[in-house]
Amino acid sequence: DGGITQSPKYLFRKEGQNVTLSCEQNLNHDAMYWYRQDPGQGLRLIYYSQIVNDFQKGDIAEGYSVSREKKESFPLTVTSAQKNPTAFYLCASSIVAGNTIYFGEGSWLTVV
Amino acid sequence: DAKTTQPNSMESNEEEPVHLPCNHSTISGTDYIHWYRQLPSQGPEYVIHGLTSNVNNRMASLAIAEDRKSSTLILHRATLRDAAVYYCILRRDNNAGNMLTFGGGTRLMVKP
Repeated sequence: DGGITQSPKYLFRKEGQNVTLSCEQNLNHDAMYWYRQDPGQGLRLIYYSQIVNDFQKGDIAEGYSVSREKKESFPLTVTSAQKNPTAFYLCASSIVAGNTIYFGEGSWLTVV
Repeated sequence: DAKTTQPNSMESNEEEPVHLPCNHSTISGTDYIHWYRQLPSQGPEYVIHGLTSNVNNRMASLAIAEDRKSSTLILHRATLRDAAVYYCILRRDNNAGNMLTFGGGTRLMVKP
């Protein structure tokens, strides 16, 4: 089945460590996105990519990094510079920028 | 970007219709009205979208005011599985990126 796969579903990280969240899509979508969601809150855009080898900062990019070396993959690294990384992270994609967005199941990151 | 305003929460009885309102008084002529919903601990899922005319699909109907300053998502017969947070979002039709901005949404509770 086509879709967006995020892994891991749950991740624990020690303070000071970097961690990478995986996002893969087999929908042949050009655009991909990372959002962060805190409990009881809406989604906030971290980074987005409209095409391979290109990405742009969203509203809350500080402390995060991404790469887009392949069309189907858009990994997100949460660096030690992110002061409050515990949250629910959502990856999404769309055919091209401007179209309906489809979301993955999300990844829960907890810093211990 | 144009903002949307939704009630924080609403209640409905099972098998009754639900009307979820959204105000977007600063909408521009090229803004599409999108609705997504998010079940607990899952990524948001697309529900419906429209520009000027009312829209129907298997999930819901979207009624758009004539001046486009408000819209209403209609669930014709609420079920317990419809309990979720519903987000009303405006998306501008340009090539600058599909940066959907998710506000707090409306938490719909369905009573049996």
